Amino acid sequence: KNQVEQSPQSLIILEGKNCTLQCNYTVSPFSNLRWYKQDTGRGPVSLTIMTFSENTKSNGRYTATLDADTKQSSLHITASQLSDSASYICVVSGGGTYKYIFGTGTRLKVLA
Amino acid sequence: NAGVTQTPKFRILKIGQSMTLQCTQDMNHNYMYWYRQDPGMGLKLIYYSVGAGITDKGEVPNGYNVSRSTTEDFPLRLELAAPSQTSVYFCASSWDTGGEQYFGPGTRLTVT
Repeated sequence: KNQVEQSPQSLIILEGKNCTLQCNYTVSPFSNLRWYKQDTGRGPVSLTIMTFSENTKSNGRYTATLDADTKQSSLHITASQLSDSASYICVVSGGGTYKYIFGTGTRLKVLA
Repeated sequence: NAGVTQTPKFRILKIGQSMTLQCTQDMNHNYMYWYRQDPGMGLKLIYYSVGAGITDKGEVPNGYNVSRSTTEDFPLRLELAAPSQTSVYFCASSWDTGGEQYFGPGTRLTVT
């Protein structure tokens, strides 16, 4: 069964600290993996995309990694800011009819 | 570009009522999608369209209908609203299958 699992479910950190969010997937065939940021009351917005051959990709303070062998990805946020408070959703493309498999997200709260 | 727009932002329906959620995109994308997002769950695909005049069911289509008469518009129709349809609904579009999805701001629907 095509699945995307994210951990932790929620996370609270202090402003300026780093954090890492995890995504494990069992999606086949695999096309790409995206991390989305979803602010409260808004639609998801893409942060990064990674294909099978890519190990690391950065977007400002966000760095995503992909290990296609173990089917794991992580999103590392450096020097967190209050505006990073949001849900972060891992989405894997390629599996089955519906093409996009969504994780349940990690809810991050950054405190001053 | 406005991107993907959705109306209304909020709606309360009584059981048995019907309504149409509107979705419009101005990026000339062929692919459009309707998702629902329930608390603590990943986005679930309701219906999708690969072009004007072509629609297909997603994972959770029961109780919904769609049409795609133009490239820009992809309305979602709820017939005989039920409490189980209380959710946040997101419309999205993409240039190709597996490509980056652009999401609208969502419609929060409550059925009582």
